[in-house]
Amino acid sequence: RKEVEQDPGPFNVPEGATVAFNCTYSNSASQSFFWYRQDCRKEPKLLMSVYSSGNEDGRFTAQLNRASQYISLLIRDSKLSDSATYLCVVNDDYKLSFGAGTTVTVRA
Amino acid sequence: NAGVTQTPKFRILKIGQSMTLQCAQDMNHNYMYWYRQDPGMGLKLIYYSVGAGITDKGEVPNGYNVSRSTTEDFPLRLELAAPSQTSVYFCASSPNSNQPQHFGDGTRLSIL
Repeated sequence: RKEVEQDPGPFNVPEGATVAFNCTYSNSASQSFFWYRQDCRKEPKLLMSVYSSGNEDGRFTAQLNRASQYISLLIRDSKLSDSATYLCVVNDDYKLSFGAGTTVTVRA
Repeated sequence: NAGVTQTPKFRILKIGQSMTLQCAQDMNHNYMYWYRQDPGMGLKLIYYSVGAGITDKGEVPNGYNVSRSTTEDFPLRLELAAPSQTSVYFCASSPNSNQPQHFGDGTRLSIL
């Protein structure tokens, strides 16, 4: 079983729509969780850290469910500029494990 | 503040050649990492380092070597380039294993 698994998508949504997707992780001892964004052929960039109580940053909301070992990301009022691949990242022992990414395409 | 700097940005090698990918960070981070990313795939950890003088293998270390003589620098060496090593290579750093990683711009390497 992979350490971090994501639905690869793609999720094709119109501007203004809400899109949400999950990521599951295998190590119940994981302590740190992040969402990164990666644009085509560019380096990953931190979108937000995920806290136990859930957190919100503008149009983005992240949730952590430790019992079911999944993390979610919700994007409200989608913009064209939100088109990217979103990487789920989980602390796994002494390193971070990256999911393969969920691709989101926002259309006009 | 430069962050994580990788050089070169692009390189084409012939099979059997060797080269070193450079990575430097100016944030005084203890942890540094090398990843490769093949087209349409996720990042795979090649090697990582938790501090100067300490390195460890990641998921896909074969064909690569690293060294960490200083906190700032973490070069990745390919000794005998093979076509399977054609990829985009990212270097990253973080204060510790629980903190987010900061990435360099990447090195696009083609081996022909």
